[in-house]
Amino acid sequence: SQQGEEDPQALSIQEGENATMNCSYKTSINNLQWYRQNSGRGLVHLILIRSNEREKHSGRLRVTLDTSKKSSSLLITASRAADTASYFCATDGGFNNDMRFGAGTRLTVKP
Amino acid sequence: SAVISQKPSRDICQRGTSLTIQCQVDSQVTMMFWYRQQPGQSLTLIATANQGSEATYESGFVIDKFPISRPNLTFSTLTVSNMSPEDSSIYLCSVRDRGNQPQHFGDGTRLSIL
Repeated sequence: SQQGEEDPQALSIQEGENATMNCSYKTSINNLQWYRQNSGRGLVHLILIRSNEREKHSGRLRVTLDTSKKSSSLLITASRAADTASYFCATDGGFNNDMRFGAGTRLTVKP
Repeated sequence: SAVISQKPSRDICQRGTSLTIQCQVDSQVTMMFWYRQQPGQSLTLIATANQGSEATYESGFVIDKFPISRPNLTFSTLTVSNMSPEDSSIYLCSVRDRGNQPQHFGDGTRLSIL
């Protein structure tokens, strides 16, 4: 079963703008991971943030985690048309440490 | 990170037939998982592939429909049995070495059933 929910479900911005996607989850976690999926392709791992971390950066990506609110956000700065994709958050929580996925945010960056 | 090769990348199958999807990893990994992504949807976990023992299935998925093998720490197969159009999805293999490590995915198998 799915663990979390992302919002917005869809986001359309102009190239150069920042994009913020949010993820909420329901149960305690060990870590949370963000992924990107281009249309019809596999998932690309972006960032893993552990439950004892509050913020992580990777290039133009910034992820925050608030375990008290059971939420995370992914910020993409200075977006590019190539950032157009679906973005998913996933949390561990299964017996076998498997990852459970949210519904995803479809990001469109217009050139 | 581990390199995951999934075969076939896509297939079109007839109703009632079965298809076996292979997942090969270039290094030994502790955990292997199989997910399904129905059109326009998120990923749903089918099962955890356990080396040398029966897979652990999620609610709504059964071994008769989705038999899984994992003979060693680098290879697993998922069979989609007695396929119907509702099985048209992307099936993804995923691996993870330890609990606090990133979980990585293969490119998926896009399956269409006529």
